[in-house]
Amino acid sequence: DQQVKQNSPSLSVQEGRISILNCDYTNSMFDYFLWYKKYPAEGPTFLISISSIKDKNEDGRFTVFLNKSAKHLSLHIVPSQPGDSAVYFCAAILNDMRFGAGTRLTVKP
Amino acid sequence: KAGVTQTPRYLIKTRGQQVTLSCSPISGHRSVSWYQQTPGQGLQFLFEYFSETQRNKGNFPGRFSGRQFSNSRSEMNVSTLELGDSALYLCASSLVSGGGSYNSPLHFGNGTRLTVT
Repeated sequence: DQQVKQNSPSLSVQEGRISILNCDYTNSMFDYFLWYKKYPAEGPTFLISISSIKDKNEDGRFTVFLNKSAKHLSLHIVPSQPGDSAVYFCAAILNDMRFGAGTRLTVKP
Repeated sequence: KAGVTQTPRYLIKTRGQQVTLSCSPISGHRSVSWYQQTPGQGLQFLFEYFSETQRNKGNFPGRFSGRQFSNSRSEMNVSTLELGDSALYLCASSLVSGGGSYNSPLHFGNGTRLTVT
């Protein structure tokens, strides 16, 4: 039962432009949502989170938007940098943390 | 502060064997969660331990088991290995149980890459 879905396996963006990564979920009971970034041969690292009572959280170049009615989450990276190239996982917490399948972001110089 | 440490980094086993993976959480973290990562499947939740008790379990067969010691270190065991068990196994620790929280997210180790031949 895939409760958290990332339907785009990959995304390619030019340096300096905006990257938008999307995530959908099915369980309206999730308390928190998070984004993790993963480089090859490393574990995922926490990037940014948002509580279910908010609709936006911003941290530097990273902004997460939550649309509860649509059960949709997105991560905006502005401006995108080559070092942002990684796999991004969307995650949601209820009694444990559930992850999407990930989106591979490539930022081209 | 040292991060989450997983050993070994790589393992090659044969079908039918069993394997034990180890995880040392961040000092002070009492929750340890285990995940399996395979291509296209993302991170699949295996189970979580908090204060030596299994708090939650994902949808995996009984061949996958774990335990946690009094110092919060955790081990995961897979018996009767199958080819499909080849994956990256990730351990994550947190201050709180239940997958972490807004202010205390999961911190991951670099994983153990298991290959079953």
